[in-house]
Amino acid sequence: QSVLTQPPSASGTPGQRVTISCSGSSSNIGSNTLNWYQQLPGTAPKLLIYNNNQRPSGVPDRFSGSKSGTSASLAISGLQSEDEADYYCAAWDDSLNGYVFGPGTKVSVL
Amino acid sequence: EVQLVQSGAEVKKPGESLKISCKGSGYSFTSHWIVWVRQMPGKGLEWMGIIYPYDSEIRYSPSFQGRVTMSVDKSISTAYLQWGSLEASDTAIYYCARLPEGLYNWFDTWGQGTLVTVSS
Repeated sequence: QSVLTQPPSASGTPGQRVTISCSGSSSNIGSNTLNWYQQLPGTAPKLLIYNNNQRPSGVPDRFSGSKSGTSASLAISGLQSEDEADYYCAAWDDSLNGYVFGPGTKVSVL
Repeated sequence: EVQLVQSGAEVKKPGESLKISCKGSGYSFTSHWIVWVRQMPGKGLEWMGIIYPYDSEIRYSPSFQGRVTMSVDKSISTAYLQWGSLEASDTAIYYCARLPEGLYNWFDTWGQGTLVTVSS
């Protein structure tokens, strides 16, 4: 049972907007930076969004993140076939004194 | 370029010991925390623990405390993850990753992963 909650899957057609939610608590999302990682099939995870809504250099601006209270979301605008991947939210948890990951959301492009 | 390069895949028998490595380059190795993350076959990411190469301060996840040992060799900018006695349930891909600054933040650079297979 993950401390952070994500939907197991999300899908859309090319060009559509897809949103993935991540729900937590006051000890993790509510008090620490929320970050998103993208894992393409057969590859290592990659930092996608950091500090709630910042994109590392090289990440397309169709990816955006937001956070409000103890929840966060990742939006993919203009969905592309290469966006098919697993997406994980993660944060430090003050109560557990460690990092927690969401269970991951598999995004499919129909 | 900041890079983390991990050691190659391993196939071990239950009860055997193992030490895998993660070599950092392109940055000041001792100034950045290194985390270890497990991914079991077909499953999600699990945080195992974190080590600060400067003074070897370590924080283990309760789920892995006592099962693995983290260490570093500053002289060769390398972090290690080791098992004293492997079990079949240790079969997984293990990733190291770097924090760009301080603790409680994000992991900006990941190693390519080390596949560990434990089978009799």
